[in-house]
Amino acid sequence: RKEVEQDPGPFNVPEGATVAFNCTYSNSASQSFFWYRQDCRKEPKLLMSVYSSGNEDGRFTAQLNRASQYISLLIRDSKLSDSATYLCVVTNNAGNMLTFGGGTRLMVKP
Amino acid sequence: NAGVTQTPKFQVLKTGQSMTLQCAQDMNHEYMSWYRQDPGMGLRLIHYSVGAGITDQGEVPNGYNVSRSTTEDFPLRLLSAAPSQTSVYFCASQAAGPGTDTQYFGPGTRLTVL
Repeated sequence: RKEVEQDPGPFNVPEGATVAFNCTYSNSASQSFFWYRQDCRKEPKLLMSVYSSGNEDGRFTAQLNRASQYISLLIRDSKLSDSATYLCVVTNNAGNMLTFGGGTRLMVKP
Repeated sequence: NAGVTQTPKFQVLKTGQSMTLQCAQDMNHEYMSWYRQDPGMGLRLIHYSVGAGITDQGEVPNGYNVSRSTTEDFPLRLLSAAPSQTSVYFCASQAAGPGTDTQYFGPGTRLTVL
């Protein structure tokens, strides 16, 4: 079983749609959680950190459920520019290494 | 501000050749790391460093060496290239540990081993 698992997609949605991605992780002692965005043939960039209380940044909302070892990302009012691969990332229990999921590809169509 | 730079952008090697992938950052970050990205597998940590003179192994260290003689530079050496090392390599840096701060990535090196 992979340490961090994501549905690879692709998720094909129309502009304006709401889309949700899920991610599960196997290490219950993981310390920190993130969503990164990666455009085609580019480097990953931090989208947002994920906190137990949930956090929102504009159209993006991230949630963490430690009991179920589950992380989610919700994108509202999708834009064409949201088309990318979204990577779920967790740290190990020492907090000194990141483990990446395989990514979920999103394609927003006009 | 240059951020994290990597050279070369592309490289083709023959099996058995050695080479060094260069990585430099100008943000005075203590923590640097190397990842490889293969299709459908996400990024996997090769080696990392928490400061000059200190390195440690990640998830997939075999076939790679690193050193950290300065805060700015963190080169990755392929000792004897194999086709299984065909991948995209990303270097990253951040001010503190990975759980506490944004990790900044370089643009990547696309390596093909024939």
